[in-house]
Amino acid sequence: AQTVTQSQPEMSVQEAETVTLSCTYDTSESDYYLFWYKQPPSRQMILVIRQEAYKQQNATENRFSVNFQKAAKSFSLKISDSQLGDAAMYFCAYSYFGNEKLTFGTGTRLTIIP
Amino acid sequence: EPEVTQTPSHQVTQMGQEVILRCVPISNHLYFYWYRQILGQKVEFLVSFYNNEISEKSEIFDDQFSVERPDGSNFTLKIRSTKLEDSAMYFCASRDSNYGYTFGSGTRLTVV
Repeated sequence: AQTVTQSQPEMSVQEAETVTLSCTYDTSESDYYLFWYKQPPSRQMILVIRQEAYKQQNATENRFSVNFQKAAKSFSLKISDSQLGDAAMYFCAYSYFGNEKLTFGTGTRLTIIP
Repeated sequence: EPEVTQTPSHQVTQMGQEVILRCVPISNHLYFYWYRQILGQKVEFLVSFYNNEISEKSEIFDDQFSVERPDGSNFTLKIRSTKLEDSAMYFCASRDSNYGYTFGSGTRLTVV
């Protein structure tokens, strides 16, 4: 069974600094997708970034980038120049080609210190 | 940007009552989902729906739950006889053929 593990329940970072959120996953599939979702206090699920496993290049979206280590089954999220609006719960999620559902990790609550 | 729309945003119901949660997926998406999130916990998969039938369901999705796509736009989740433990945030999602998932804003269900 596919599992997604987020080992950091809480993280904090000073405004304007950089923070990295960790995620590991377990799968026997070769073709899959990884996602980071942000959930602010409004509880809406907002896609931050996605990565296709067949792509070696790490995905980036403005201040957000990932470090995808396929052999290690690791998928960390780096947030640069942290802003107050980045404060939220962050979920790592996985899906594989031919499967329907997203499997989520337990989340990391990120606090931004002004 | 296209959105997934969920209504209502908050519903309070008495234990044992039936509730219907409504969703309008993105119009050109073919795959639809319901997830739930009990407060403070992880997001859990309930059911996926494709080509007018359930393609996968979780252990949570028992006989009390059902889904329907009554017309070309709506996608509903029905809970027949609500229990206290059904209190949660329910998210609808749809995805495109490139595994681009979009979530709705959620319906907060409170069973009293």
